Amino acid sequence: EPEVTQTPSHQVTQMGQEVILRCVPISNHLYFYWYRQILGQKVEFLVSFYNNEISEKSEIFDDQFSVERPDGSNFTLKIRSTKLEDSAMYFCASRLEGLAEETQYFGPGTRLLVL
Amino acid sequence: AQKVTQAQTEISVVEKEDVTLDCVYETRDTTYYLFWYKQPPSGELVFLIRRNSFDEQNEISGRYSWNFQKSTSSFNFTITASQVVDSAVYFCALSELGTGTYKYIFGTGTRLKVLA
Repeated sequence: EPEVTQTPSHQVTQMGQEVILRCVPISNHLYFYWYRQILGQKVEFLVSFYNNEISEKSEIFDDQFSVERPDGSNFTLKIRSTKLEDSAMYFCASRLEGLAEETQYFGPGTRLLVL
Repeated sequence: AQKVTQAQTEISVVEKEDVTLDCVYETRDTTYYLFWYKQPPSGELVFLIRRNSFDEQNEISGRYSWNFQKSTSSFNFTITASQVVDSAVYFCALSELGTGTYKYIFGTGTRLKVLA
């Protein structure tokens, strides 16, 4: 069964450093998402991406964040200058286009720790 | 505004007990989808069920069952004969058709501890 993959599974970085989280969505999916889960809290929507542009972003997704689909398979989340509060689990998700296909398929997550 | 409330922060039960996890949602849309996900200690989100707003039929899958009631805006999840492996955090989520992006709004989760 096809699945969403994410790399790395864990990343430790120093405050102020740039990080890039990578995701490979399911190959025929056209909608892509990033979510964040701070330890012990709920999963929060960050951004959705369709047709090579951001379709919606949350208040969390400020200028420090950016997303890109650099080729036909990868979907990346970049945090330009990490802060301590960016420490969280980041989930990528994808789904098929179409009104009936509402299920998003989540990757296993990248656990980011900012020191 | 869309919102999902899981009022139970943590529930502890003894193995083989039945347990119900509550989920109450708010939405202005007439077309929406509700989901339950399980998050084991390893951290991944495991999809359990999807229900659309036009399908109020209750569903049973093995020891799991779901009760969807539009009249009370609730989508509750029951585990019968709980097992230690059911210990996890369970999230309810809502996706509205009207947003266009179909983003998920998650509840705060219920941590279920099943004791041997």
